[in-house]
Amino acid sequence: DSGVTQTPKHLITATGQRVTLRCSPRSGDLSVYWYQQSLDQGLQFLIQYYNGEERAKGNILERFSAQQFPDLHSELNLSSLELGDSALYFCASSARSGRNTDTQYFGPGTRLTVL
Amino acid sequence: GENVEQHPSTLSVQEGDSAVIKCTYSDSASNYFPWYKQELGKGPQLIIDIRSNVGEKKDQRIAVTLNKTAKHFSLHITETQPEDSAVYFCAASPLTSYDKVIFGPGTSLSVIP
Repeated sequence: DSGVTQTPKHLITATGQRVTLRCSPRSGDLSVYWYQQSLDQGLQFLIQYYNGEERAKGNILERFSAQQFPDLHSELNLSSLELGDSALYFCASSARSGRNTDTQYFGPGTRLTVL
Repeated sequence: GENVEQHPSTLSVQEGDSAVIKCTYSDSASNYFPWYKQELGKGPQLIIDIRSNVGEKKDQRIAVTLNKTAKHFSLHITETQPEDSAVYFCAASPLTSYDKVIFGPGTSLSVIP
């Protein structure tokens, strides 16, 4: 158990809908990262927050957004969902300064299925 | 843009043998190379990483080598055990900008008892 929790574990929704994925980092970790893992695109970095501020932005679509709250939990919002958004979404957290060399601890993921 | 290739895509070894997974990258600005292990139904787990100022790094049965000139790096697992069976991902990024991190497509390693 990495100490990172993600909810929900599974999510099934329809095209055009909007969903919110939630992540609670390890106690004391200031950085949260979001990743998408799909069969065709592999593992892709989406976005990183450090202590409430956006730190790095990867291949995140404009239909997706994220935020990190004062209690350090983070939410990833996916809107206007398409079939191709079906994937595993992982959250990871790290302590220290939020440098990309900090060890990241991954949560168990949320499996999103868009029908 | 950056591209990371990883070979082989699947690897099957006998318990006790060594396993080697190779990655190549294209962006010469990359200087941080982590390796992740992902077990079935779980998130990736960092197992070892290397920076460009180092040619080799070891941690017990795991080692990573880096050839910056040739832009390739490799993961070596010695004395493999059944619990090493997982998917392994390499990644490459500049030290200072994680937004450019790219992951390899993964290698499914099976260790046969």
